[in-house]
Amino acid sequence: GAGVSQSPRYKVAKRGQDVALRCDPISGHVSLFWYQQALGQGPEFLTYFQNEAQLDKSGLPSDRFFAERPEGSVSTLKIQRTQQEDSAVYLCAIGTANSYNEQFFGPGTRLTVL
Amino acid sequence: RKEVEQDPGPFNVPEGATVAFNCTYSNSASQSFFWYRQDCRKEPKLLMSVYSSGNEDGRFTAQLNRASQYISLLIRDSKLSDSATYLCVVNDGGSQGNLIFGKGTKLSVKP
Repeated sequence: GAGVSQSPRYKVAKRGQDVALRCDPISGHVSLFWYQQALGQGPEFLTYFQNEAQLDKSGLPSDRFFAERPEGSVSTLKIQRTQQEDSAVYLCAIGTANSYNEQFFGPGTRLTVL
Repeated sequence: RKEVEQDPGPFNVPEGATVAFNCTYSNSASQSFFWYRQDCRKEPKLLMSVYSSGNEDGRFTAQLNRASQYISLLIRDSKLSDSATYLCVVNDGGSQGNLIFGKGTKLSVKP
């Protein structure tokens, strides 16, 4: 993705395991978004950071999902006690500073929960 | 629920054909509109932002009708490399710019 790396690229977890997904944007991007894309669907908004502040977490599907960006750069999305329905691609995006708010996505982490 | 609706396709067209995709959105507060392209097992990539007056980028033309809440994408002279899923995207109208995606329209361009 343009200026955003994510790791791991693939993750297989057993149901009940905790996972941590990392997003590493190039420096200087204030806005950072997480999206979840289930198979055959468009991405769906999870949460939004402006620098280190998590300003919107309305899209997080349950309290098992937690995201942080403590220094305003790298962000981590953590999923506790994973369930099969958590299987999806998790996409991180950076927002531009222009008025149109274009977003550019990282390559994603494909999570499979067995 | 704020939604974006698209025909899922697939659209199967020969090389050189002109193909049009349409989408409708339900959130009248949306202010920004986009077409993203997504290749299989890849991330969405911004194809075009869509402006009120319509805009063109090479073989691609996008139109916006705010009154009807309708967005279109026209691809002329299709190439094999245009084969992908095209996602219609709008923002949610808020200041953060959260994006709402359609499910995508699959295009397959054949030789």
